[in-house]
Amino acid sequence: DIVMTQTPLSSPVTLGQPASISCRSSQSLVHSDGNTYLSWLQQRPGQPPRLLIYKISNRFSGVPDRFSGSGAGTDFTLKISRVEAEDVGVYYCMQATLFGWTFGQGTKVEIK
Amino acid sequence: EVQLVESGGDLVQPGGSLRLSCAASGFTFTYYAMSWVRQAPGKGLEWVSAISGGGGSTYYADSVRGRFTISRDNSKNTLYLQMNSLRAEDTAVYYCAKDLDVCGGGSCFSGDFDSWGQGTLVTVSS
Repeated sequence: DIVMTQTPLSSPVTLGQPASISCRSSQSLVHSDGNTYLSWLQQRPGQPPRLLIYKISNRFSGVPDRFSGSGAGTDFTLKISRVEAEDVGVYYCMQATLFGWTFGQGTKVEIK
Repeated sequence: EVQLVESGGDLVQPGGSLRLSCAASGFTFTYYAMSWVRQAPGKGLEWVSAISGGGGSTYYADSVRGRFTISRDNSKNTLYLQMNSLRAEDTAVYYCAKDLDVCGGGSCFSGDFDSWGQGTLVTVSS
């Protein structure tokens, strides 16, 4: 299976300041169809996960534009331009390029 | 509005069986691949299994292959997960999740989970 490694695992952030989460895969996530199936999900406390970003950089409907995704191949990044209180939670990257789909360990974003 | 409602979670003994259901509404169920994802208490997310819109293609995580079976009844807009030979390590909240991309036919998956249920808790313990 492809291993997804997120850093950091914990990110204390000041309100209004940026945050960045890195996700690295153990092999390229470029699918034979040309797409890269790398998504980012947010899980607020006590809630199911919520899709933020899909195929590296596509923001899902209703997701604030302070969230952005970038990267290619094996290295990907989720950025929050200005953290708000509602952004507290755990963020996961996930690969769906190769079956045996896998998630990163999760990064906990909390307010300082 | 898309709704996914899981049910069937329970306390079961090791070696036992359980069938989870996920009732879907608000979209044309047969057009979308569906998955089960689980989360052990206090842990991260683990993809369990996926099924194509027509039900002809299925995939499993190594940890459940041979013990779990995913299926769907498109006439009832319902997704299922039959879980046999349950182990303590299967204890988790089980979520059903819908693929983002519509599929006109055949086997297509994106793994972009745009809708999730609230989950159902499975506890395997004696």
